[in-house]
Amino acid sequence: GAVVSQHPSRVICKSGTSVKIECRSLDFQATTMFWYRQFPKQSLMLMATSNEGSKATYEQGVEKDKFLINHASLTLSTLTVTSAHPEDSSFYICSATVNTEAFFGQGTRLTVV
Amino acid sequence: AQSVTQLGSHVSVSEGALVLLRCNYSSSVPPYLFWYVQYPNQGLQLLLKYTTGATLVKGINGFEAEFKKSETSFHLTKPSAHMSDAAEYFCAVRLIFGNEKLTFGTGTRLTIIP
Repeated sequence: GAVVSQHPSRVICKSGTSVKIECRSLDFQATTMFWYRQFPKQSLMLMATSNEGSKATYEQGVEKDKFLINHASLTLSTLTVTSAHPEDSSFYICSATVNTEAFFGQGTRLTVV
Repeated sequence: AQSVTQLGSHVSVSEGALVLLRCNYSSSVPPYLFWYVQYPNQGLQLLLKYTTGATLVKGINGFEAEFKKSETSFHLTKPSAHMSDAAEYFCAVRLIFGNEKLTFGTGTRLTIIP
């Protein structure tokens, strides 16, 4: 199956700094990628849809200025958490779809201290 | 809009026993249905999916699920549980037409008792 690689797997940052998370499709091109957030012991909540060459589509309640998404190429989407605060600590997961199947990255555990 | 309900946030079964994880969906149009498994601090891995055709779908690791349109259900089963099956399981739905967004259920944590 297709491979989606997410980096880093874990990151700890200081409050007020920004963190960038990368999501790459290794063996296919993805015009669309999805970013999810998962709180401990909860389900995945879709944050935004990343569209190659155009602006991301954010779900209701997601702050566009805090969670910056860039999809500059057909194999790379990035999520930047700006001015991070402890409440942004979470597990972030990206995915891309090939035919009817969604392939997920390994996830990024963000801890803001 | 579509939604997914997973009954039972926690399910415990003995090793070797039947595993049954329940999933009901709501969708205005026929959906695609999926079951994913997640191990701690990892992404999601597809167990199986229903798109069209046979309503009994077989997946990896001995899991299977049956799409029952009349009951709007897509329950996941495995005849004999193994210790390695302990994980979080998510049922998900997406529309056949339109965008590729997945809507997930709240998840079921499966514990296997030795």
